[in-house]
Amino acid sequence: SAVISQKPSRDICQRGTSLTIQCQVDSQVTMMFWYRQQPGQSLTLIATANQGSEATYESGFVIDKFPISRPNLTFSTLTVSNLSPEDSSIYLCSAPGGPYGYTFGSGTRLTVV
Amino acid sequence: DAKTTQPPSMDCAEGRAANLPCNHSTISGNEYVYWYRQIHSQGPQYIIHGLKNNETNEMASLIITEDRKSSTLILPHATLRDTAVYYCIVSRYSGNTGKLIFGQGTTLQVKP
Repeated sequence: SAVISQKPSRDICQRGTSLTIQCQVDSQVTMMFWYRQQPGQSLTLIATANQGSEATYESGFVIDKFPISRPNLTFSTLTVSNLSPEDSSIYLCSAPGGPYGYTFGSGTRLTVV
Repeated sequence: DAKTTQPPSMDCAEGRAANLPCNHSTISGNEYVYWYRQIHSQGPQYIIHGLKNNETNEMASLIITEDRKSSTLILPHATLRDTAVYYCIVSRYSGNTGKLIFGQGTTLQVKP
């Protein structure tokens, strides 16, 4: 099954700054997904990243706050912009993992101070 | 995609079977049932999925009722390492063509 390398694994950022998270897949995939997991909560889908087109955002998430790039079939980045303490969460990427199921990155734990 | 309902938490004795229920009463004919688990805020791990037949793999068994309105994930011999949050997800897609929407899941605590 596919393997995803996600980085950074954690970061502490000042409010008002931005953090860019990278995910690299070891095989070509058509779609990649970005999730947010707030403390003690389940995963919430932010957007679907398709190569060659703009990302599709879920309700409540906007491109200005969460810009996504998908330059090729193995790589994607998520930027969390204009950080506030409410953005402190774990961010995860996901991609098709093989014949069945999806693979997830190990997550980025973001703390905004 | 149909919504799922799971108990928030369950306990299981080590070595015994863990049976995790999931209700998906609004599931439609082309929707699959997926199970994932998440250990200590790591990335979720795929367990199993099915459409209408019961499924078994090296990790677990999935039992889907005949009307497909509910299912049960069975871990046949639970170990302490199976302590995790288990998510039941219904999705119209299979074979890596769609998105997964997570509910609140069931926190399974396996006890010695």
